[in-house]
Amino acid sequence: NAGVTQTPKFQVLKTGQSMTLQCAQDMNHEYMSWYRQDPGMGLRLIHYSVGAGITDQGEVPNGYNVSRSTTEDFPLRLLSAAPSQTSVYFCASSYSITPSNQPQHFGDGTRLSIL
Amino acid sequence: AQSVAQPEDQVNVAEGNPLTVKCTYSVSGNPYLFWYVQYPNRGLQFLLKYITGDNLVKGSYGFEAEFNKSQTSFHLKKPSALVSDSALYFCAVRDGRGSTLGRLYFGRGTQLTVWP
Repeated sequence: NAGVTQTPKFQVLKTGQSMTLQCAQDMNHEYMSWYRQDPGMGLRLIHYSVGAGITDQGEVPNGYNVSRSTTEDFPLRLLSAAPSQTSVYFCASSYSITPSNQPQHFGDGTRLSIL
Repeated sequence: AQSVAQPEDQVNVAEGNPLTVKCTYSVSGNPYLFWYVQYPNRGLQFLLKYITGDNLVKGSYGFEAEFNKSQTSFHLKKPSALVSDSALYFCAVRDGRGSTLGRLYFGRGTQLTVWP
């Protein structure tokens, strides 16, 4: 059971480039989400999805797009990379959004540097 | 809006001593509270969650958390710290209602260092 798998683990981009961070889970979870982790700021929600075909914005969605064509996959796209998007990105999933006492399962992260 | 606060950026304890990592919360409705741990270059691992009615919740690796409704706190505790407990700890609250149902809000994290 792989859990939540994120690729790539590391990436360096130039300002203005675009790229897609991949996230896949094999637990048949309905709820998936993307966070960014910055020093001293905890984790902040970028986008989330409550099921295939349904996505919504979190706290810091600007500059990012998502789609959810299957239950398993939830890619995050950077449209035009900016240095402010240098961060560690985590994908997480849980079985559903209710009951709300379900813990989320996290991938190991993608460390992204924008030059 | 839901929020959590971790008032200490760093906690240092000697191995074998008890440890406490503090968390206070602000929620509307029922509190859905969690503790996660993050080791270097890894994702977050679930430690424990608040269960309604239980003021002392037991979790993984010997950790427990004390829920105090009047003080709106959910402090993480361990009776005897290990060097291997050194990590970054996050308190989080999950939104239980409304348009933000299911969202998870994190504290800023507390770096725990256990000295041998």
